[in-house]
Amino acid sequence: DAEITQSPRHKITETGRQVTLACHQTWNHNNMFWYRQDLGHGLRLIHYSYGVHDTNKGEVSDGYSVSRSNTEDLPLTLESAASSQTSVYFCASSDPGTLKPLHFGNGTRLTVT
Amino acid sequence: AQTVTQSQPEMSVQEAETVTLSCTYDTSENNYYLFWYKQPPSRQMILVIRQEAYKQQNATENRFSVNFQKAAKSFSLKISDSQLGDTAMYFCAFMGGGADGLTFGKGTHLIIQP
Repeated sequence: DAEITQSPRHKITETGRQVTLACHQTWNHNNMFWYRQDLGHGLRLIHYSYGVHDTNKGEVSDGYSVSRSNTEDLPLTLESAASSQTSVYFCASSDPGTLKPLHFGNGTRLTVT
Repeated sequence: AQTVTQSQPEMSVQEAETVTLSCTYDTSENNYYLFWYKQPPSRQMILVIRQEAYKQQNATENRFSVNFQKAAKSFSLKISDSQLGDTAMYFCAFMGGGADGLTFGKGTHLIIQP
């Protein structure tokens, strides 16, 4: 069965370190998204991609970057982790077309100490 | 930019009761799509129901139905015969015609009491 996998499930890192969260999908979806979830804020869009070599900034993109070198993967990099980036991160993918549902990964809980 | 507002941070009802979760949104677009997602304690995001704005008929999925009021920009979720397994966070979400991701509300924590 097709799926979307995030790794690691939990990560603890120190302030200032570079961190990369992995997202791999086997749906062959062109669209991929990264969200962060914080209490009281719901899910907020960080970056998204409509295909290979395409990336776009979302609502809360500062301090984050993504790259899309193939269809399956959209890694999220925190260049210099900050305590404000402690959060749960979700990756999602979908087919093109607005009513196509997003398929979500199970999230990565990142703690920056 | 679109905004989605869920005004009930938490709700609690007895098992088998009917509960309605409210959601309002703000947009200048005419064609858009609305969704309700459920997030149980496992953290998994599960699509509950979706509605195209151009459709007047309210969407239904088994015990879940919506009351879509386009003029009022309201999109409430009704859960009938609530079950213990319905306990979860519920998020209302908006997608515009540009399909640049979903805009989520802050969520409602629904607790079903036995």
